[in-house]
Amino acid sequence: EAGVVQSPRYKIIEKKQPVAFWCNPISGHNTLYWYLQNLGQGPELLIRYENEEAVDDSQLPKDRFSAERLKGVDSTLKIQPAELGDSAVYLCASSLASQGDTQYFGPGTRLTVL
Amino acid sequence: QKEVEQDPGPLSVPEGAIVSLNCTYSNSAFQYFMWYRQYSRKGPELLMYTYSSGNKEDGRFTAQVDKSSKYISLFIRDSQPSDSATYLCAMSGLPGAQKLVFGQGTRLTINP
Repeated sequence: EAGVVQSPRYKIIEKKQPVAFWCNPISGHNTLYWYLQNLGQGPELLIRYENEEAVDDSQLPKDRFSAERLKGVDSTLKIQPAELGDSAVYLCASSLASQGDTQYFGPGTRLTVL
Repeated sequence: QKEVEQDPGPLSVPEGAIVSLNCTYSNSAFQYFMWYRQYSRKGPELLMYTYSSGNKEDGRFTAQVDKSSKYISLFIRDSQPSDSATYLCAMSGLPGAQKLVFGQGTRLTINP
């Protein structure tokens, strides 16, 4: 069974440019999460989806970050415009709705903002 | 103060040693405790999952939870170079709860 797929794996952009990350969760997992992981830190939740509904986006900086999960499967996280402090790894995870404490993570997208 | 505190290390031990990794937490509502392993350039993978206080053993790995002290541990016996990774503790307050709070991770190196 395929795991959580993320692309791109690496992205380098200049500040003020837009950037988007894509995630394909494990088949059948209706809960999808986007996390931010700074160097030397644990993951921090940005947004959680139940199917296509964003049920927890309290930690998402809405002035520059947006996310969508059309059709309740794939998801895209966007930053516009990117700032130097956005350099980090963006992790996507998925789980069954009833097993949110057992999350499966993708490899992440490492973003560098110059 | 962070809800979950974890010594970031780095920790370097010889092959075969017993490794002890620890986290403390402040939120008494946490009941579900997890350890994730994260290899370099990879996403975290679930290693151990425990509920409330007590011990859980899986092969060379043992997870301990002491809710009275708000302290959890992961022990690795007969450590191998392949155990070299960052270990993250995580916890939540409700069964099946989606909101995990992670520690900052401990970077572990096992030297052959």
